[in-house]
Amino acid sequence: AQKITQTQPGMFVQEKEAVTLDCTYDTSDPSYGLFWYKQPSSGEMIFLIYQGSYDQQNATEGRYSLNFQKARKSANLVISASQLGDSAMYFCAMREGRGNDMRFGAGTRLTVKP
Amino acid sequence: GAGVSQSPRYKVAKRGQDVALRCDPISGHVSLFWYQQALGQGPEFLTYFQNEAQLDKSGLPSDRFFAERPEGSVSTLKIQRTQQEDSAVYLCASSFGQMNTEAFFGQGTRLTVV
Repeated sequence: AQKITQTQPGMFVQEKEAVTLDCTYDTSDPSYGLFWYKQPSSGEMIFLIYQGSYDQQNATEGRYSLNFQKARKSANLVISASQLGDSAMYFCAMREGRGNDMRFGAGTRLTVKP
Repeated sequence: GAGVSQSPRYKVAKRGQDVALRCDPISGHVSLFWYQQALGQGPEFLTYFQNEAQLDKSGLPSDRFFAERPEGSVSTLKIQRTQQEDSAVYLCASSFGQMNTEAFFGQGTRLTVV
């Protein structure tokens, strides 16, 4: 069963604006971790940010922040001050404490317009 | 090594041929993941190792796919009697064993079955 859902196949944002990429997940494990990765056209997978299920505060890493709403089971990525180099595929992933493997969503293609 | 290394980077196989894809994880990483990524899609989970133990192989699409990690380090993904639908990028990732640690990805092997 699909555990990670990314409902936005593609998103556009104007340079210097902020953008939110959606991610919802499903798990019965109280212990889990949520990850966001960036995949540019070159193909490498770049880790961006992590949020643990027991973390009290939303994670932030530079221009990236994670809007974690545990009750809604959502973990949206917010990119502030978008840059042209942010154009890429973005994937949300979850790692459960029980199984410990890592599953990905289908991704969102972000295009930053100059 | 400094990162996850996969070989070969590109592989062209004739339909029906067997192939072997190699993954050298980061030294000390106990978790190792294999994914299949079709063009424009998210990474689809294939299998997961904790050291030499294959804890989850539920994502392997058929019994033509086989993975091993005999000494808990290097892993090989073998595909027997390749078919055109096996054409994809095969990604390997490794991490420390804890749930809250990110996975580091190799550059992938692009398999084309003709």
